[in-house]
Amino acid sequence: GDSVTQMEGPVTLSEEAFLTINCTYTATGYPSLFWYVQYPGEGLQLLLKATKADDKGSNKGFEATYRKETTSFHLEKGSVQVSDSAVYFCALHTNTGNQFYFGTGTSLTVIP
Amino acid sequence: NAGVTQTPKFRILKIGQSMTLQCTQDMNHNYMYWYRQDPGMGLKLIYYSVGAGITDKGEVPNGYNVSRSTTEDFPLRLELAAPSQTSVYFCASAYGQNQPQHFGDGTRLSIL
Repeated sequence: GDSVTQMEGPVTLSEEAFLTINCTYTATGYPSLFWYVQYPGEGLQLLLKATKADDKGSNKGFEATYRKETTSFHLEKGSVQVSDSAVYFCALHTNTGNQFYFGTGTSLTVIP
Repeated sequence: NAGVTQTPKFRILKIGQSMTLQCTQDMNHNYMYWYRQDPGMGLKLIYYSVGAGITDKGEVPNGYNVSRSTTEDFPLRLELAAPSQTSVYFCASAYGQNQPQHFGDGTRLSIL
């Protein structure tokens, strides 16, 4: 079945460090891929998305490239800030059903 | 623009009690979803709806019921609360099948 696997956290980085959060997927059909962010006490918010192979989603300095050959959608940011501390979820949606599949989330803490 | 609104934000129930978690959206979205989020487990889909009068089961529907009498509202009903239903519940909506979901701030439910 369809699924998403994220790297386990928690991840702790110093401010201005480089961030990578790995995400790989298994899907039938041609999925769209998403990264969501959840700040403490809030619901999930869409961070970025990519709908086809080789697309790059970007927002707020974060980027992720849809790699069909490696079934991956890794999240990257060149220089993290304290305000980026949150839980990040990778998700997919295929055109064969109505469901989104979420990863288990990766907690990021950025220290000054 | 309120987006997706969930009430209540917090609730404590006794085993065997019933309650309804409310969810309303003002974006005229056809698709609505209910998820539960358990620590370290990501989001699990409980029920979803593709339009008024249409609902379908997700991954973990047992112990829950939903209705969708209007486009705006998608309440989630717990009939006989059990400790295993202690969780954070999120409602989400989307314009279309493959579109990003907009989340409410969640309802934290404890069953003792």
